[in-house]
Amino acid sequence: GIQVEQSPPDLILQEGANSTLRCNFSDSVNNLQWFHQNPWGQLINLFYIPSGTKQNGRLSATTVATERYSLLYISSSQTTDSGVYFCAVGIYIQGAQKLVFGQGTRLTINP
Amino acid sequence: GAGVSQSPSNKVTEKGKDVELRCDPISGHTALYWYRQSLGQGLEFLIYFQGNSAPDKSGLPSDRFSAERTGGSVSTLTIQRTQQEDSAVYLCASSFRTDYNEQFFGPGTRLTVL
Repeated sequence: GIQVEQSPPDLILQEGANSTLRCNFSDSVNNLQWFHQNPWGQLINLFYIPSGTKQNGRLSATTVATERYSLLYISSSQTTDSGVYFCAVGIYIQGAQKLVFGQGTRLTINP
Repeated sequence: GAGVSQSPSNKVTEKGKDVELRCDPISGHTALYWYRQSLGQGLEFLIYFQGNSAPDKSGLPSDRFSAERTGGSVSTLTIQRTQQEDSAVYLCASSFRTDYNEQFFGPGTRLTVL
């Protein structure tokens, strides 16, 4: 099956720093989503980005589908950005889109 | 509703008991998905529904797991004769359609089997 690899597994930064999280996937995909899992376990949608570039405030994402990777950029980090960031790729199974998740990047922002 | 809701938020049960987990999707979303998050396996797909139909049940971990959806809305995931390895957070998601569409997740049910 498809493999989704995220790097780095852990990232510790000071408040105000910028960061880049990477997601590599091993096969063609129909969709790609980025999530932030907050300390209470809720998965928060960040981007739905099968290709191209999107921006939302301090966050932006780029997916290069032909090269099978996606990047999530966080600028001017805040302590509330801490948590685990998941990349998930969508593949078709019998007419529906199943999400396959990477193992996540745990981001810690220190004040 | 405004988002996907799940109940209960936490469930502690004894090994061998049956449990039912409930998911209420976003109003108007026709597709509903169940995932499981555990320490050893990460986030894994279990089953999806298009309307009330579940075309592919191969993601369910064992025949002790079953799911149903009624009225194209609420879904129930049932685990019979629970085992300790069933302990995990069970997440439900919904999307407007099953194809090429963004999935939105509920807060999850944390299941602990003693």
